[in-house]
Amino acid sequence: AQSVTQPDIHITVSEGASLELRCNYSYGATPYLFWYVQSPGQGLQLLLKYFSGDTLVQGIKGFEAEFKRSQSSFNLRKPSVHWSDAAEYFCAASSSNTGKLIFGQGTTLQVKP
Amino acid sequence: DAGVIQSPRHEVTEMGQEVTLRCKPISGHNSLFWYRQTMMRGLELLIYFNNNVPIDDSGMPEDRFSAKMPNASFSTLKIQPSEPRDSAVYFCASSLARGGALTGELFFGEGSRLTVL
Repeated sequence: AQSVTQPDIHITVSEGASLELRCNYSYGATPYLFWYVQSPGQGLQLLLKYFSGDTLVQGIKGFEAEFKRSQSSFNLRKPSVHWSDAAEYFCAASSSNTGKLIFGQGTTLQVKP
Repeated sequence: DAGVIQSPRHEVTEMGQEVTLRCKPISGHNSLFWYRQTMMRGLELLIYFNNNVPIDDSGMPEDRFSAKMPNASFSTLKIQPSEPRDSAVYFCASSLARGGALTGELFFGEGSRLTVL
């Protein structure tokens, strides 16, 4: 079955530190891959997406993600975290056949001053 | 540009009552999705429409749930009768399918928080 896994439910980092959020997927073929961010009481906002081509993709707010086919991973990174980055982050994948988006369980990011 | 607009933002109702949630997608988008978010189950896709036609409703929990899209600018999700376990945040999202292909790039509304007592 198609699935997206985010191994870390909660992560705490200090402001200014680097960040990496993990995401693994299980699909028959390489899916389209996404990272969304959700602030409290808000809807989800797209951070970045991977369809094909360059495996390192840049997104908004200084985020980037790297697609690694051999590891079935699409990890999100940011070199220096800001307090405003505290939110919940969702990795998602969709099949190129159906476009049906499946979300991981989310990772809550807390930023310490 | 206006984003996806959902109403009401908050709804508190009693068990057995009918609940109708509304969504206006982004103008020009031709696909619309209803998701439900709970702590226990995360984000679940309930149903999605392409060009106002329901494509996949396999995520609709049971017959108490129904969704319609009478035109390109409006959709409803109805729960009748409502139960306490329906309490959740319901999100509507829209997307533009290019050449008939959905990509999964969605634009979300701010959600409707439903509490069923």
